[in-house]
Amino acid sequence: GQNIDQPTEMTATEGAIVQINCTYQTSGFNGLFWYQQHAGEAPTFLSYNVLDGLEEKGRFSSFLSRSKGYSYLLLKELQMKDSASYLCAVLDSGYALNFGKGTSLLVTP
Amino acid sequence: IAGITQAPTSQILAAGRRMTLRCTQDMRHNAMYWYRQDLGLGLRLIHYSNTAGTTGKGEVPDGYSVSRANTDDFPLTLASAVPSQTSVYFCASSESSNQPQHFGDGTRLSIL
Repeated sequence: GQNIDQPTEMTATEGAIVQINCTYQTSGFNGLFWYQQHAGEAPTFLSYNVLDGLEEKGRFSSFLSRSKGYSYLLLKELQMKDSASYLCAVLDSGYALNFGKGTSLLVTP
Repeated sequence: IAGITQAPTSQILAAGRRMTLRCTQDMRHNAMYWYRQDLGLGLRLIHYSNTAGTTGKGEVPDGYSVSRANTDDFPLTLASAVPSQTSVYFCASSESSNQPQHFGDGTRLSIL
């Protein structure tokens, strides 16, 4: 079966850095995605990792270690608008995208 | 503006009724998907289509059917709605199965 774990909730301060972790055990691996979802809205694509290492895109970075079944999303210079749910999703051997339950991030002033 | 459109935005439906949720994309994406999102359970895949003319079952297909007659449209049908199908339904598309998925705005469905 598929097992994707991420913290349920996190709180961080505006201007700070926050790291959202994701661990996974899936049937095969063809990449890991991070999505952002604001309350009442659709998920939007943030990043994609298929090889080990760090992918940087502006204030957001994503890291992958395939041997450890581990990824994290790093958000720098936090802004109030970053308050949202962050979804970790793994593409398995059948190319099905399996989502974690999401991490709800609250950014406080 | 290119994108993916879902209709209706929301619907209240009596149990036992038949309902079709519509999904249209104009990005010429090959792959399309239907998910349901429930509090505490996250996004779960109902059905998918890797290309026009083909469909497949996801994690929670029971009670739902889909068709993919052309590239743009991927309707989801509830043959006889039950209260446990109350959920937010998202349609998504991607160029291929290993590319990022783009999501529609969702349909909020309540079955009474």
